[in-house]
Amino acid sequence: AQSVTQLDSHVSVSEGTPVLLRCNYSSSYSPSLFWYVQHPNKGLQLLLKYTSAATLVKGINGFEAEFKKSETSFHLTKPSAHMSDAAEYFCVVSDSNYQLIWGAGTKLIIKP
Amino acid sequence: KAGVTQTPRYLIKTRGQQVTLSCSPISGHRSVSWYQQTPGQGLQFLFEYFSETQRNKGNFPGRFSGRQFSNSRSEMNVSTLELGDSALYLCASSLDGASSYNEQFFGPGTRLTVL
Repeated sequence: AQSVTQLDSHVSVSEGTPVLLRCNYSSSYSPSLFWYVQHPNKGLQLLLKYTSAATLVKGINGFEAEFKKSETSFHLTKPSAHMSDAAEYFCVVSDSNYQLIWGAGTKLIIKP
Repeated sequence: KAGVTQTPRYLIKTRGQQVTLSCSPISGHRSVSWYQQTPGQGLQFLFEYFSETQRNKGNFPGRFSGRQFSNSRSEMNVSTLELGDSALYLCASSLDGASSYNEQFFGPGTRLTVL
């Protein structure tokens, strides 16, 4: 069965410093993987998705993620954090029925 | 193009009552999925409807049900409400979702509080 683990429930960084949100997955086949973002009082928005093309995936707002099969990881990064990046981020894996399995979420806190 | 809309945005009910939530997908989208989001359990999949048929179902009791109309609008119903049903209920629509993954677009959610 597919599963996804977000390794940090909270990540705090200073504005202008790099962001790393960690995600590990478990899948019996080559999965599709996604990152979604949820800003306070706003709907969930797709940041980026991996669907077996390039392993380095670029998303919106300067975010990117790298699919590493050997490490079963799909970590989300951004070179320089902005105050507007403060939100909750979800790593998601798609199972064989195209159902989405959601991670528990990581709250990103940006310090001025 | 209008986004996914959900009504009502906020709802307060008491234990034992029932509730119906509504979701209007993006025009042209035929798949509607429902999720329950709580601080302790995160996002959990309830069910997905496509062309008025339930196509996938999560692990929720039979008190949770849904339906989809011919215009792709969907409703979910929760009967005999329990305190633990307090949550944000999210609806997401996508073009298809059957043979390949299409991006899901989420509504703002309905915040249900059960007293």
